[in-house]
Amino acid sequence: DAKTTQPPSMDCAEGRAANLPCNHSTISGNEYVYWYRQIHSQGPQYIIHGLKNNETNEMASLIITEDRKSSTLILPHATLRDTAVYYCIVRGGAGSYQLTFGKGTKLSVIP
Amino acid sequence: DVKVTQSSRYLVKRTGEKVFLECVQDMDHENMFWYRQDPGLGLRLIYFSYDVKMKEKGDIPEGYSVSREKKERFSLILESASTNQTSMYLCASSLTQGQAFFGQGTRLTVV
Repeated sequence: DAKTTQPPSMDCAEGRAANLPCNHSTISGNEYVYWYRQIHSQGPQYIIHGLKNNETNEMASLIITEDRKSSTLILPHATLRDTAVYYCIVRGGAGSYQLTFGKGTKLSVIP
Repeated sequence: DVKVTQSSRYLVKRTGEKVFLECVQDMDHENMFWYRQDPGLGLRLIYFSYDVKMKEKGDIPEGYSVSREKKERFSLILESASTNQTSMYLCASSLTQGQAFFGQGTRLTVV
């Protein structure tokens, strides 16, 4: 069963912010939201994760709604190298070992 | 630098052969995972392991088995390879909480 729902594809103009949404309405209180991306022919790469509070690192920002049922990954200034498939995953909690990916969002950054 | 290493980048095997895909991690992670990735289907979990000698079925375990005799090594076994097992295979490892690290993938072709 998919725990997250993402749009299949999005476009973003180069230099603009890319905002990638994710719905996780069944998330439980001790589950984290993780984001990964996969550039063609490479293994997925970790981007960021969070529990309740918004998070920022050198790659991106993660905004989690107050009810934790959805989140948005923000790439502040998208470049052509950000073209990839982005996966939103929920994981965590006692005894929660499994790591399941959905189909993700294919982000195309356009010159 | 953390590392997950898959034994082969490209592999060609014949139908009916027994195939071993090896994955080694150097981060002392408890959890290890095997996925396959096919166009339009995203990453699908085959098997995972949360400890030495422990294994759990993922979403598509049929036709596969795994072995985890040592913490750092997780092997995926195709007992009798078939053409529908032609795919990209990805290995990952993680702590129970925290980001997962992926190998670069093995592109297996069964002819």
